[in-house]
Amino acid sequence: KQEVTQIPAALSVPEGENLVLNCSFTDSAIYNLQWFRQDPGKGLTSLLLIQSSQREQTSGRLNASLDKSSGRSTLYIAASQPGDSATYLCAVYVVGYSTLTFGKGTMLLVSP
Amino acid sequence: DAGVIQSPRHEVTEMGQEVTLRCKPISGHNSLFWYRQTMMRGLELLIYFNNNVPIDDSGMPEDRFSAKMPNASFSTLKIQPSEPRDSAVYFCASSLRGNYGYTFGSGTRLTVV
Repeated sequence: KQEVTQIPAALSVPEGENLVLNCSFTDSAIYNLQWFRQDPGKGLTSLLLIQSSQREQTSGRLNASLDKSSGRSTLYIAASQPGDSATYLCAVYVVGYSTLTFGKGTMLLVSP
Repeated sequence: DAGVIQSPRHEVTEMGQEVTLRCKPISGHNSLFWYRQTMMRGLELLIYFNNNVPIDDSGMPEDRFSAKMPNASFSTLKIQPSEPRDSAVYFCASSLRGNYGYTFGSGTRLTVV
């Protein structure tokens, strides 16, 4: 059974810092890996999707990388802002499974 | 498009009562998912529909839970009878293809007392 682990569970940084969120998964037979953002009391918003054949994806200040062989992904946030405060979830779509398997998320707080 | 619409946003009910959660997916999406989120277990898939047909319901906790999708624009998740351990946030999501481009609703926060 696929397991997705996110480290750290919580992170607090001052505004302006560059930061890295980590995601690891146990089964490397994946179709894709996705990063989501969840604001308190809200649903999930898709940030980046990396296909299994890709190594990274970028959107604005966000960059996500994928290393299938080691079962790892990172989400890099450049020049963090208070508006980036949210929970970030990593999810993988595994060959042979019906849908995404989620990690428990990293709760990020960016203080002004 | 208004996105995935869930109702109600909040539901408080007494143990033993029937609870029905509703979801309207994005028009044109052919896959619909029901997830449950708790602090302890994170996001768990309950059931997955493709073209209105249940494909994988292995995540449904027990017979008290049932889900239907009578047409492409509506789905329900029913809990009967409800128990305090069912308290969680229930999310509905839809996608154009099963493994790509998920859109989540805002969720229903269920509290069973």
